[in-house]
Amino acid sequence: ETGVTQTPRHLVMGMTNKKSLKCEQHLGHNAMYWYKQSAKKPLELMFVYSLEERVENNSVPSRFSPECPNSSHLFLHLHTLQPEDSALYLCASSRPGQGGNTGELFFGEGSRLTVL
Amino acid sequence: GNSVTQMEGPVTLSEEAFLTINCTYTATGYPSLFWYVQYPGEGLQLLLKATKADDKGSNKGFEATYRKETTSFHLEKGSVQVSDSAVYFCALGSNYQLIWGAGTKLIIKP
Repeated sequence: ETGVTQTPRHLVMGMTNKKSLKCEQHLGHNAMYWYKQSAKKPLELMFVYSLEERVENNSVPSRFSPECPNSSHLFLHLHTLQPEDSALYLCASSRPGQGGNTGELFFGEGSRLTVL
Repeated sequence: GNSVTQMEGPVTLSEEAFLTINCTYTATGYPSLFWYVQYPGEGLQLLLKATKADDKGSNKGFEATYRKETTSFHLEKGSVQVSDSAVYFCALGSNYQLIWGAGTKLIIKP
């Protein structure tokens, strides 16, 4: 138990569906991250929020839309995805200004997404 | 630019064997270096870290030394257990981002 909770753990959706992934942390962290983990590829940083403001967007397609309503919650809204978007999506949190330089990220268990 | 290269897996060892997983990096400046571990069905956990040259990070019997002269941060453990089976990621911290290696799957057989 890392203190970062992701739901759902598994999601199957068609290419025309709209769904959302949710991440919640009660560690008092102010920075939150979305990563994509695909087989045999390095972890891909998608989005970073610091103090509820998006500070990083690594050229992610617009079919992925993040939302950070407060420092404890992070969403990833999904629409018109492609089969190649099937992956494990990991949420992480850290104290502000610490995530990159100190590497102390706390990860959730991930949401396994399958796009048919 | 910054990058991390890990040895490809899977690495398969017998219980109580000595483990080395190689990690080398390229970076400007003086980044921090990390090893994360991902057990089956779980997210990643920080295993150990080193923030400057010659630092040694250690945790749960694992060690890694920040070698600036060889730009390496190899992970070692003297006697592995079945419970160490997992995927291990080397990472470099710079400019508030982590640069990740591709991960090395470790399989320990009883």
